[in-house]
Amino acid sequence: AQKITQTQPGMFVQEKEAVTLDCTYDTSDPSYGLFWYKQPSSGEMIFLIYQGSYDQQNATEGRYSLNFQKARKSANLVISASQLGDSAMYFCAIENSGNTPLVFGKGTRLSVIA
Amino acid sequence: DVKVTQSSRYLVKRTGEKVFLECVQDMDHENMFWYRQDPGLGLRLIYFSYDVKMKEKGDIPEGYSVSREKKERFSLILESASTNQTSMYLCASRGHQNTEAFFGQGTRLTVV
Repeated sequence: AQKITQTQPGMFVQEKEAVTLDCTYDTSDPSYGLFWYKQPSSGEMIFLIYQGSYDQQNATEGRYSLNFQKARKSANLVISASQLGDSAMYFCAIENSGNTPLVFGKGTRLSVIA
Repeated sequence: DVKVTQSSRYLVKRTGEKVFLECVQDMDHENMFWYRQDPGLGLRLIYFSYDVKMKEKGDIPEGYSVSREKKERFSLILESASTNQTSMYLCASRGHQNTEAFFGQGTRLTVV
């Protein structure tokens, strides 16, 4: 079975600085996908970025990028130029091949300080 | 704009009551999911469905059942609510593999 580990329960970052949120995963399936979601205090889950296991390039979406290190089984989210609105819970998730449900980590609470 | 809509944002129920949480999506997605979110535990999968009238148990199905009579609607049922089912419940839908799941706004259920 697949598993996601997010070791940072909480993080602080200064506004306009970059921050890295850690995510390691465990799966025996050679084909998988990794997702990051943001959950503000309002509660909705917002999709941020996706990385497929066979993708050659690290995924990027605006200020979000994914530092994908396949051999280390890590998929860290990098947020550049942090903004106050980035304060939220961030969840990493994995899916294996065969249209399986997403499995989520426990999340990291990011607080951006002015 | 794509949407997953959960019937209630907040719900308070008494111990022993039968509780229905409804979820509707307008994206014609085959796959629908119910997760439970608790502080420090992340999102845990309760049940999911790949098609109408089809259901699969997730990681924590005990005390819950589901119903999917129509493609767009996936209901979570608490047969006899207990205080340890006080939680945030999130419904999601997804079209196919390698695509993101879309979530509803969540239902915060309190069982007293």
